[in-house]
Amino acid sequence: DAGVIQSPRHEVTEMGQEVTLRCKPISGHNSLFWYRQTMMRGLELLIYFNNNVPIDDSGMPEDRFSAKMPNASFSTLKIQPSEPRDSAVYFCASSFSELGVNEKLFFGSGTQLSVL
Amino acid sequence: AQSVTQPDIHITVSEGASLELRCNYSYGATPYLFWYVQSPGQGLQLLLKYFSGDTLVQGIKGFEAEFKRSQSSFNLRKPSVHWSDAAEYFCAVGFKAAGNKLTFGGGTRVLVKP
Repeated sequence: DAGVIQSPRHEVTEMGQEVTLRCKPISGHNSLFWYRQTMMRGLELLIYFNNNVPIDDSGMPEDRFSAKMPNASFSTLKIQPSEPRDSAVYFCASSFSELGVNEKLFFGSGTQLSVL
Repeated sequence: AQSVTQPDIHITVSEGASLELRCNYSYGATPYLFWYVQSPGQGLQLLLKYFSGDTLVQGIKGFEAEFKRSQSSFNLRKPSVHWSDAAEYFCAVGFKAAGNKLTFGGGTRVLVKP
């Protein structure tokens, strides 16, 4: 299995531009998570999906952030417009969850986003 | 709201020495507890987890952790550290009532001296 695949690996953009981060979860997993990691705030959960449905988006910072999961094998996180304070590493993770318990997250290698 | 505290931001240990990383959580119910490791430039990898049963759990790479309910702690240990253990370690807590949501601690960066 290739694991959780994220693209791009690095993204450098200018303030005000739209940024789209992509994630392909592990086949068969039914939960998908978007995390953001910064030095100041550590690892923060932005949103997670279960069976392609957004369950909890309380971590999404503001309306500039949106996430979609059109099918079980693909998700996007979009920032529009981007701001320098959005610079961070964004991780996608997936898992197979039974009975509401998330036993093990598999993380992608992350997207390093720099907004100039 | 639940919280997870890793009191040590950095720990430096000599190769071959023992290692203990601290983790404390706050919540009323019994949590699900995890330790993840992150190597530079990589995502997180699960080391071990505790859901129920024996409070001393064994994980990969020779790590173990002990759940102590009275202290609300889940400290990670390794008897003899290898240079390849240099990484950042994250404690995470989940609760069945919270569904699939994990709360991560701030992480502890481990440096290994030759």
